[in-house]
Amino acid sequence: EVQLVESGGGLVKPGGSLRLSCVASGFTFSSFSMNWVRQVPGKGLEWVSAITNSGSSVYYADSMKGRVTISRDNAKNSLSLQMNSLRAEDTAVYYCARGGSGWYLGPSAYWGQGTLVIVSS
Amino acid sequence: EIVLTQSPGTLSVSPGERATLSCRASQSVSSSYLAWYQQKPGQAPRLLIYDAHDRASGIPDRFSGSGSGTDFTLTISRLEPEDFAVYYCQHYGSSPGTFGQGTKVEIK
Repeated sequence: EVQLVESGGGLVKPGGSLRLSCVASGFTFSSFSMNWVRQVPGKGLEWVSAITNSGSSVYYADSMKGRVTISRDNAKNSLSLQMNSLRAEDTAVYYCARGGSGWYLGPSAYWGQGTLVIVSS
Repeated sequence: EIVLTQSPGTLSVSPGERATLSCRASQSVSSSYLAWYQQKPGQAPRLLIYDAHDRASGIPDRFSGSGSGTDFTLTISRLEPEDFAVYYCQHYGSSPGTFGQGTKVEIK
């Protein structure tokens, strides 16, 4: 069974940093691209970032470019999102989602349960 | 960046009726790399359709996707009580993999 479990969310002050993690199981992690998608409570989905299976290519939404870094450790089946200079508008549930195989960003057939990030003083 | 515009914003439908949701792209979506997701309150999104018209594993055949280029449609042939939810389209052929703003399907 494919499982994606996020952690690392919480309350952080504006301008602060947070590192989100996602641990994967039930599939060959190193074979798939991975995504981060966020959702402000009560609002729509926003794609945040993606990384290819090898980690050789990374992609970011303009709204977070320069403030976030996506990375992965295929040996540990883990995905991370380092977020810096956080703003109130970054408050959202952050989902880890599996992408396509290899370099292919692909649709997301599997999602974690999400981790809530609250940016507030 | 490809902008996806979904319509209508809210669709009021009776159980057993047909629902037709639209997703229009600001430029052509390469290789029909377009997906549809269903999301219910408090849950993660669920993939319904990928590559514009292929049903994901375990998705009932009352869900169908069509379209190419810039115009895509999700059709739910006969709405079941569990189908009332919010639906999103997303393109994934290139970065950024933007989502539409969503269509809420509510009980009429």
